[in-house]
Amino acid sequence: EAGVTQFPSHSVIEKGQTVTLRCDPISGHDNLYWYRRVMGKEIKFLLHFVKESKQDESGMPNNRFLAERTGGTYSTLKVQPAELEDSGVYFCASSKKFFQVNSNQPQHFGDGTRLSIL
Amino acid sequence: GQQVMQIPQYQHVQEGEDFTTYCNSSTTLSNIQWYKQRPGGHPVFLIQLVKSGEVKKQKRLTFQFGEAKKNSSLHITATQTTDVGTYFCAGFHRGSTLGRLYFGRGTQLTVWP
Repeated sequence: EAGVTQFPSHSVIEKGQTVTLRCDPISGHDNLYWYRRVMGKEIKFLLHFVKESKQDESGMPNNRFLAERTGGTYSTLKVQPAELEDSGVYFCASSKKFFQVNSNQPQHFGDGTRLSIL
Repeated sequence: GQQVMQIPQYQHVQEGEDFTTYCNSSTTLSNIQWYKQRPGGHPVFLIQLVKSGEVKKQKRLTFQFGEAKKNSSLHITATQTTDVGTYFCAGFHRGSTLGRLYFGRGTQLTVWP
């Protein structure tokens, strides 16, 4: 099966501009996650979709970040306007539906989008 | 807030030596997952531990989950150059929204031939 794909792989923009990242999860995966990793730090949770609904968006840094998953398929993460501290690698991951309490599905990660804000 | 601490941040070993990375959570975990990220790649799921005191093995890799479900470790016996990469633990905290993973900072393993 095709893995999680992310586009673009790299993006370099100036402070104040807008960037939209896209993630195509594995077909049939209800759960879609966005994470960000700043160099040398942990992979930090941003938000979690179950199909088209936002299950948890408590990790979103501020209202400059907007995530959507229309139709419950691919997702986009828009940063507007971008700031210097938004630089990092943005990972998307997807997983199958959860069936058991306290037992979660493995998350399948995309290759990430390396975002650089100048 | 809820955190997962992971040490060491870096580990350099000679091929054939053993390697261990440790994770510790500030709160009790429902379960913990381990991922490996090769240089230039993305995190790849290795294993999930659910039960208190659980030990699982994958060839030369041994994963442990503490009795209190607050800590975990990954031990690699007789490292090989193919083990190079960053190893992350990621926990699900009891009481948190199911699905949200709390990652440690990762341990970057370098293996010299």
